[in-house]
Amino acid sequence: GDSVTQMEGPVTLSEEAFLTINCTYTATGYPSLFWYVQYPGEGLQLLLKATKADDKGSNKGFEATYRKETTSFHLEKGSVQVSDSAVYFCALSREESGGSNYKLTFGKGTLLTVNP
Amino acid sequence: DTGVSQNPRHKITKRGQNVTFRCDPISEHNRLYWYRQTLGQGPEFLTYFQNEAQLEKSRLLSDRFSAERPKGSFSTLEIQRTEQGDSAMYLCASSLQGFYLGYTFGSGTRLTVV
Repeated sequence: GDSVTQMEGPVTLSEEAFLTINCTYTATGYPSLFWYVQYPGEGLQLLLKATKADDKGSNKGFEATYRKETTSFHLEKGSVQVSDSAVYFCALSREESGGSNYKLTFGKGTLLTVNP
Repeated sequence: DTGVSQNPRHKITKRGQNVTFRCDPISEHNRLYWYRQTLGQGPEFLTYFQNEAQLEKSRLLSDRFSAERPKGSFSTLEIQRTEQGDSAMYLCASSLQGFYLGYTFGSGTRLTVV
Protein backbone atom coordinates (compact mmCIF):
# COMPACT_ATOMS: atom_id res chain seq x y z
CA GLY A 1 0.00 0.00 0.00
CA ASP A 2 0.86 3.65 -0.06
CA SER A 3 3.34 4.96 2.49
CA VAL A 4 5.30 8.09 3.35
CA THR A 5 8.58 8.12 5.24
CA GLN A 6 9.92 11.31 6.83
CA MET A 7 13.18 11.97 8.56
CA GLU A 8 13.04 11.38 12.27
CA GLY A 9 12.85 14.40 14.48
CA PRO A 10 13.07 16.46 16.45
CA VAL A 11 15.06 18.95 14.42
CA THR A 12 16.50 21.92 16.31
CA LEU A 13 17.97 24.87 14.42
CA SER A 14 19.09 28.39 15.13
CA GLU A 15 17.27 31.27 13.51
CA GLU A 16 18.40 31.93 9.91
CA ALA A 17 19.73 28.39 9.47
CA PHE A 18 18.96 26.30 6.38
CA LEU A 19 16.25 23.67 6.75
CA THR A 20 15.83 20.35 4.99
CA ILE A 21 13.25 17.76 6.01
CA ASN A 22 13.49 14.62 3.92
CA CYS A 23 10.42 12.82 2.63
CA THR A 24 10.19 9.75 0.42
CA TYR A 25 7.10 7.90 -0.67
CA THR A 26 5.86 4.59 -2.00
CA ALA A 27 2.77 4.60 -4.19
CA THR A 28 1.55 3.17 -7.45
CA GLY A 29 0.68 5.50 -10.27
CA TYR A 30 1.17 9.23 -10.02
CA PRO A 31 0.34 10.59 -6.58
CA SER A 32 0.00 14.21 -5.65
CA LEU A 33 2.36 15.29 -2.87
CA PHE A 34 1.81 17.71 -0.02
CA TRP A 35 3.45 19.28 2.99
CA TYR A 36 1.20 20.18 5.90
CA VAL A 37 2.22 22.15 8.99
CA GLN A 38 0.70 21.89 12.47
CA TYR A 39 1.36 24.71 14.92
CA PRO A 40 0.85 23.98 18.64
CA GLY A 41 -2.82 23.68 19.50
CA GLU A 42 -3.98 24.12 15.92
CA GLY A 43 -5.18 21.95 13.06
CA LEU A 44 -3.11 20.99 10.04
CA GLN A 45 -2.60 23.65 7.39
CA LEU A 46 -1.62 22.99 3.81
CA LEU A 47 1.85 24.47 3.29
CA LEU A 48 2.51 23.52 -0.33
CA LYS A 49 1.71 20.90 -2.92
CA ALA A 50 2.87 19.42 -6.22
CA THR A 51 0.71 17.38 -8.52
CA LYS A 52 3.15 15.99 -11.10
CA ALA A 53 6.80 15.09 -11.55
CA ASP A 54 9.27 18.01 -11.51
CA ASP A 55 6.65 20.41 -10.14
CA LYS A 56 7.95 22.70 -7.42
CA GLY A 57 5.58 23.74 -4.67
CA SER A 58 6.41 26.88 -2.72
CA ASN A 59 4.88 29.00 0.01
CA LYS A 60 6.16 31.30 2.78
CA GLY A 61 9.77 30.70 1.74
CA PHE A 62 9.39 26.91 1.85
CA GLU A 63 9.96 24.83 -1.30
CA ALA A 64 9.71 21.19 -2.30
CA THR A 65 10.24 19.55 -5.69
CA TYR A 66 8.42 16.39 -6.82
CA ARG A 67 11.19 13.97 -7.82
CA LYS A 68 9.69 10.87 -9.38
CA GLU A 69 13.06 9.23 -10.09
CA THR A 70 13.95 9.25 -6.39
CA THR A 71 10.32 9.16 -5.12
CA SER A 72 11.09 12.15 -2.93
CA PHE A 73 9.56 15.47 -1.93
CA HIS A 74 12.06 17.09 0.44
CA LEU A 75 11.05 20.31 2.20
CA GLU A 76 13.57 23.17 2.24
CA LYS A 77 13.78 26.72 3.53
CA GLY A 78 16.80 28.94 3.19
CA SER A 79 16.46 30.87 6.45
CA VAL A 80 14.15 29.65 9.22
CA GLN A 81 12.48 31.86 11.80
CA VAL A 82 11.34 31.16 15.35
CA SER A 83 7.76 31.33 14.05
CA ASP A 84 8.44 28.28 11.83
CA SER A 85 8.56 26.05 14.92
CA ALA A 86 5.88 23.42 14.32
CA VAL A 87 5.32 19.82 13.25
CA TYR A 88 5.66 19.23 9.50
CA PHE A 89 3.87 16.36 7.75
CA CYS A 90 4.57 15.02 4.30
CA ALA A 91 1.55 13.41 2.62
CA LEU A 92 0.41 11.91 -0.63
CA SER A 93 -2.89 11.42 -2.38
CA ARG A 94 -3.36 8.92 -5.16
CA GLU A 95 -6.13 8.90 -7.68
CA GLU A 96 -8.48 6.11 -6.76
CA SER A 97 -10.57 4.08 -9.19
CA GLY A 98 -13.28 6.30 -10.51
CA GLY A 99 -10.88 9.19 -10.89
CA SER A 100 -11.33 10.75 -7.49
CA ASN A 101 -8.49 11.74 -5.16
CA TYR A 102 -9.68 12.11 -1.64
CA LYS A 103 -7.61 10.16 0.87
CA LEU A 104 -4.35 11.47 2.27
CA THR A 105 -1.58 9.17 3.50
CA PHE A 106 0.66 10.97 5.98
CA GLY A 107 4.16 10.49 7.28
CA LYS A 108 4.74 10.49 11.04
CA GLY A 109 5.65 14.14 11.18
CA THR A 110 8.86 16.00 12.03
CA LEU A 111 8.99 18.42 14.94
CA LEU A 112 11.00 21.53 14.13
CA THR A 113 12.17 23.87 16.88
CA VAL A 114 13.88 27.12 15.90
CA ASN A 115 15.78 28.93 18.63
CA PRO A 116 16.48 32.68 18.56
CA ASP B 1 -16.60 31.71 7.14
CA THR B 2 -14.51 30.77 10.15
CA GLY B 3 -13.18 27.49 8.75
CA VAL B 4 -13.81 23.97 10.00
CA SER B 5 -15.11 23.88 13.56
CA GLN B 6 -14.86 20.88 15.88
CA ASN B 7 -16.47 20.42 19.26
CA PRO B 8 -15.55 19.71 21.93
CA ARG B 9 -11.84 20.54 21.86
CA HIS B 10 -11.13 18.10 24.66
CA LYS B 11 -13.05 15.14 26.05
CA ILE B 12 -12.14 12.94 28.98
CA THR B 13 -14.30 9.87 29.43
CA LYS B 14 -14.29 6.67 31.40
CA ARG B 15 -13.73 3.39 29.64
CA GLY B 16 -16.98 1.90 28.46
CA GLN B 17 -18.79 5.21 28.00
CA ASN B 18 -20.07 6.52 24.69
CA VAL B 19 -18.80 9.79 23.22
CA THR B 20 -19.90 11.92 20.29
CA PHE B 21 -17.90 14.58 18.45
CA ARG B 22 -19.22 17.18 16.07
CA CYS B 23 -17.68 18.76 12.99
CA ASP B 24 -19.01 21.79 11.13
CA PRO B 25 -17.29 22.06 7.74
CA ILE B 26 -16.85 25.10 5.55
CA SER B 27 -20.36 25.70 4.26
CA GLU B 28 -19.70 25.36 0.54
CA HIS B 29 -17.55 22.23 0.90
CA ASN B 30 -19.34 19.06 -0.17
CA ARG B 31 -16.71 16.60 1.09
CA LEU B 32 -16.03 15.87 4.73
CA TYR B 33 -13.37 13.61 6.19
CA TRP B 34 -12.49 12.14 9.57
CA TYR B 35 -8.93 11.27 10.53
CA ARG B 36 -7.40 9.96 13.76
CA GLN B 37 -3.98 11.05 15.01
CA THR B 38 -2.21 9.24 17.83
CA LEU B 39 0.84 10.57 19.63
CA GLY B 40 3.92 10.64 17.43
CA GLN B 41 2.05 9.51 14.33
CA GLY B 42 0.59 11.20 11.31
CA PRO B 43 -3.16 11.36 10.83
CA GLU B 44 -4.83 8.16 9.60
CA PHE B 45 -7.89 8.17 7.37
CA LEU B 46 -11.11 6.95 8.99
CA THR B 47 -13.98 7.81 6.67
CA TYR B 48 -15.32 10.37 4.22
CA PHE B 49 -18.62 11.78 3.02
CA GLN B 50 -19.61 13.36 -0.21
CA ASN B 51 -22.67 15.40 0.68
CA GLU B 52 -24.68 13.08 2.95
CA ALA B 53 -23.34 9.82 1.52
CA GLN B 54 -20.62 7.97 3.43
CA LEU B 55 -18.47 6.67 0.59
CA GLU B 56 -15.64 4.88 2.36
CA LYS B 57 -14.79 3.54 5.80
CA SER B 58 -11.31 2.50 6.83
CA ARG B 59 -10.64 -0.86 8.49
CA LEU B 60 -9.57 1.28 11.47
CA LEU B 61 -13.23 2.16 11.97
CA SER B 62 -14.49 -0.76 14.06
CA ASP B 63 -18.15 -1.54 14.70
CA ARG B 64 -17.99 0.70 17.78
CA PHE B 65 -17.49 3.73 15.56
CA SER B 66 -20.24 5.36 13.55
CA ALA B 67 -20.26 8.59 11.57
CA GLU B 68 -23.16 10.49 10.11
CA ARG B 69 -23.65 13.58 8.02
CA PRO B 70 -27.35 14.31 7.91
CA LYS B 71 -28.41 16.68 5.15
CA GLY B 72 -24.83 16.97 3.99
CA SER B 73 -23.94 19.67 6.49
CA PHE B 74 -22.36 18.98 9.90
CA SER B 75 -21.08 15.53 10.82
CA THR B 76 -20.93 13.53 14.03
CA LEU B 77 -18.54 10.77 14.99
CA GLU B 78 -19.72 8.48 17.79
CA ILE B 79 -17.60 5.96 19.64
CA GLN B 80 -19.50 3.40 21.70
CA ARG B 81 -18.03 1.51 24.66
CA THR B 82 -14.80 3.48 24.54
CA GLU B 83 -11.48 1.72 25.16
CA GLN B 84 -8.15 3.19 26.23
CA GLY B 85 -6.82 2.55 22.73
CA ASP B 86 -9.35 5.06 21.40
CA SER B 87 -7.42 7.88 23.06
CA ALA B 88 -6.28 10.11 20.20
CA MET B 89 -6.88 13.38 18.39
CA TYR B 90 -9.85 13.14 16.04
CA LEU B 91 -9.49 15.49 13.10
CA CYS B 92 -12.17 16.62 10.72
CA ALA B 93 -11.48 18.19 7.33
CA SER B 94 -13.55 19.41 4.42
CA SER B 95 -12.96 20.18 0.78
CA LEU B 96 -14.67 20.91 -2.48
CA GLN B 97 -14.89 18.13 -5.01
CA GLY B 98 -11.81 18.51 -7.15
CA PHE B 99 -9.27 17.60 -4.54
CA TYR B 100 -6.39 19.72 -5.73
CA LEU B 101 -7.71 22.68 -3.84
CA GLY B 102 -6.68 20.79 -0.74
CA TYR B 103 -8.34 20.02 2.53
CA THR B 104 -9.11 22.47 5.32
CA PHE B 105 -8.63 20.82 8.70
CA GLY B 106 -10.30 21.67 11.98
CA SER B 107 -8.35 21.96 15.23
CA GLY B 108 -9.42 18.51 16.33
CA THR B 109 -11.03 16.89 19.36
CA ARG B 110 -8.61 15.31 21.80
CA LEU B 111 -10.14 12.25 23.43
CA THR B 112 -8.67 10.74 26.59
CA VAL B 113 -10.16 7.48 27.84
CA VAL B 114 -9.33 6.74 31.49
